[in-house]
Amino acid sequence: AQSVTQLDSHVSVSEGTPVLLRCNYSSSYSPSLFWYVQHPNKGLQLLLKYTSAATLVKGINGFEAEFKKSETSFHLTKPSAHMSDAAEYFCVVSDPVSGTYKYIFGTGTRLKVLA
Amino acid sequence: AAGVIQSPRHLIKEKRETATLKCYPIPRHDTVYWYQQGPGQDPQFLISFYEKMQSDKGSIPDRFSAQQFSDYHSELNMSSLELGDSALYFCASSSRDSSGGELFFGEGSRLTVL
Repeated sequence: AQSVTQLDSHVSVSEGTPVLLRCNYSSSYSPSLFWYVQHPNKGLQLLLKYTSAATLVKGINGFEAEFKKSETSFHLTKPSAHMSDAAEYFCVVSDPVSGTYKYIFGTGTRLKVLA
Repeated sequence: AAGVIQSPRHLIKEKRETATLKCYPIPRHDTVYWYQQGPGQDPQFLISFYEKMQSDKGSIPDRFSAQQFSDYHSELNMSSLELGDSALYFCASSSRDSSGGELFFGEGSRLTVL
């Protein structure tokens, strides 16, 4: 069975400094991995996805993530945090089930950006 | 571009009442997922449908049922509501044929049970 572990439940950074949100996964398959962002009382928005193409994936709003198979990691980074980045971030792995997909969510990391 | 549409956006019910949430997936998406997100929680998978048939089941209570109709919209029916059912309910859709397989989420329906 696949699983996802987000190593930090809360991360605080100062505006303009780098962001690192950590995600480790376990998978029996060649996984598809995603990062979603959720602003308060909003739906989840896809930031980026890895689907066995390039290991360094670029997403929206300056975010990127690197798939490292040897470390079973898919950490999310951004060079310079903006106040609008404050939100909840979810790492997700997909698992094929009966011809469709099951999506396993991490427990989320709340990013706080300090002025 | 068309997104996933959920209705109603907000719903207030009393204990033991029933509620129905609706979800309209992105056109040509064949799979619909329902999630429940309690305060401060990550989304919990309830149930999914592929081509109008239930494809997977998660932590959905027996008091809840769902179906996907011929036009691919889906409804989540919740009966004998309890205080603990207060949550944000998300619908998401995807296409099995898309290379990425990512989920597209609606804005959610917030259910408050009093």
